[in-house]
Amino acid sequence: DGGITQSPKYLFRKEGQNVTLSCEQNLNHDAMYWYRQDPGQGLRLIYYSQIVNDFQKGDIAEGYSVSREKKESFPLTVTSAQKNPTAFYLCASSPGRGLNEKLFFGSGTQLSVL
Amino acid sequence: QQQVKQSPQSLIVQKGGISIINCAYENTAFDYFPWYQQFPGKGPALLIAIRPDVSEKKEGRFTISFNKSAKQFSLHIMDSQPGDSATYFCAASMIRGAGSYQLTFGKGTKLSVIP
Repeated sequence: DGGITQSPKYLFRKEGQNVTLSCEQNLNHDAMYWYRQDPGQGLRLIYYSQIVNDFQKGDIAEGYSVSREKKESFPLTVTSAQKNPTAFYLCASSPGRGLNEKLFFGSGTQLSVL
Repeated sequence: QQQVKQSPQSLIVQKGGISIINCAYENTAFDYFPWYQQFPGKGPALLIAIRPDVSEKKEGRFTISFNKSAKQFSLHIMDSQPGDSATYFCAASMIRGAGSYQLTFGKGTKLSVIP
């Protein structure tokens, strides 16, 4: 089945710890995205990447970092600088060939602070 | 600053009724308006979308109405079913740096359809 796989489904972070959320896609999409979802707050863009080895900050990039070394993978690291990391994190991809593209989302990772 | 305002925050509709969710935007640079549907514990999925050159788009029981002059658009779900119970997000797209188009989402509406 083609799609986006996020892991783990649940993740717990201790104070001062960095954690990495995995996102893998087998849709052969060029563009990948990370969104943060808080209850009643909608989806906010953290980072996006239109091509391998390139990525751009979204609206709330502070305290997060990403890499895009392979087309199919776009991991997100939540660093200790992110003081309020508890949220539902969604990874998405799109073909990247033009505007107004449909986003394909993974099933998300729920991150909580211990 | 929130660029897409969505209402209501929650909505309860009887089975067979019409569900209506409204969104408003300020930035006239937005040129694509999709709606996403999200079930609990899952990622959102595209439901229906419209461009500002048309006033209405219908797909099955789902219709988008678009009012360019008022900068408003709405989702209508006809003959609402319990399986439609989900969170619905409106969104708007505009060009960002390096020629990329990015979505700005509303805060979502939690729809509950009761038998």
